[in-house]
Amino acid sequence: DVKVTQSSRYLVKRTGEKVFLECVQDMDHENMFWYRQDPGLGLRLIYFSYDVKMKEKGDIPEGYSVSREKKERFSLILESASTNQTSMYLCASSLQDRVPYEQYFGPGTRLTVT
Amino acid sequence: AQKITQTQPGMFVQEKEAVTLDCTYDTSDQSYGLFWYKQPSSGEMIFLIYQGSYDEQNATEGRYSLNFQKARKSANLVISASQLGDSAMYFCAMSNMDSNYQLIWGAGTKLIIKP
Repeated sequence: DVKVTQSSRYLVKRTGEKVFLECVQDMDHENMFWYRQDPGLGLRLIYFSYDVKMKEKGDIPEGYSVSREKKERFSLILESASTNQTSMYLCASSLQDRVPYEQYFGPGTRLTVT
Repeated sequence: AQKITQTQPGMFVQEKEAVTLDCTYDTSDQSYGLFWYKQPSSGEMIFLIYQGSYDEQNATEGRYSLNFQKARKSANLVISASQLGDSAMYFCAMSNMDSNYQLIWGAGTKLIIKP
């Protein structure tokens, strides 16, 4: 089974702190994604990566950065956390060359910024 | 612009009844894929079913089936014989085969199964 793990299920940080969210997948997937999920808005893509050291902006990259130094690990960084970044963060991975390209998700990190 | 619309924010269904969750999509591409995911209260997104735009048969996976009506641009999820464990958020999503890395998501439908 595909396993995607995220470093924390719940996280509470203060405004202005630098926050790291880690995601690891064990199925050698090329693609990795970071989403945030807010009620009524569905999932919105923050960043994705299709290879080591490669990254592409999604729909809402402002206030975030990412790092992919190894194929299995994709990190989301909040340089200076703000209260409007309180949300559920979901990491996902997928294969690159196999239809239907379904994404496999981690359990999510519920981040609260106070 | 590509878009997924789920018009039912919430639904209540009696246990053992069938339920249909609506999903309409908008794309000008001829090649695309449609997905349904389930998100229980635990938070993890679970892939349920997939339909390719060129698939002539409606996709089925156990109690899940996808009612694909291409001309109407709809991809409704049908759950037969609902169970209490089906209570969850359900999301419809679409991928464009030209940009196969990304999914476009609907806002979701919260399904509650009543005993």
